[in-house]
Amino acid sequence: DTGVSQNPRHKITKRGQNVTFRCDPISEHNRLYWYRQTLGQGPEFLTYFQNEAQLEKSRLLSDRFSAERPKGSFSTLEIQRTEQGDSAMYLCASSLRPGTRNTEAFFGQGTRLTVV
Amino acid sequence: DAKTTQPNSMESNEEEPVHLPCNHSTISGTDYIHWYRQLPSQGPEYVIHGLTSNVNNRMASLAIAEDRKSSTLILHRATLRDAAVYYCILKYAGNMLTFGGGTRLMVKP
Repeated sequence: DTGVSQNPRHKITKRGQNVTFRCDPISEHNRLYWYRQTLGQGPEFLTYFQNEAQLEKSRLLSDRFSAERPKGSFSTLEIQRTEQGDSAMYLCASSLRPGTRNTEAFFGQGTRLTVV
Repeated sequence: DAKTTQPNSMESNEEEPVHLPCNHSTISGTDYIHWYRQLPSQGPEYVIHGLTSNVNNRMASLAIAEDRKSSTLILHRATLRDAAVYYCILKYAGNMLTFGGGTRLMVKP
């Protein structure tokens, strides 16, 4: 296992189009997180899953955003009707569930979205 | 979530120790202190974490004040590859990581 994998690495889309990103976590990790990061800022939490259950969503996650983790393995993040303000790096992370020995989060390299 | 305060940026010379401070005066008794760093064009990576006692690992040391209101990440010999943004984060148990602005560390050759 080489770590958390995100695809695509870069996406350029026209305003109003839908985009979908994929995250493949480390295989034994129960938890999966999505973050968004704009230039010069720290990552902002969007949502997280424990197995297939989506346990928390940030207020940042508007109705145009939806995330799924259907079988508790990979996850997708979809943005509908993209806006220029959606341009950012979208980061995925995974970790073991709380109560296990090592719960540090491992991040992917991110998907950079540019909305033109 | 309790907040942390870090300097926006710091400079260090290569092969010298670096002490990165973090203030967290409103920390609660169940908050762990986590440090992550983000190299240019990479996702964040875990560095170290602790609760009350000082901690050492292969990457760094974490010194925690006795009252837990501050902590210091120590890189024993900075290299050019340590140039990154370092985030100090308070985290309760199963909660997610909440990032602030971090400290941008610049390492001079």
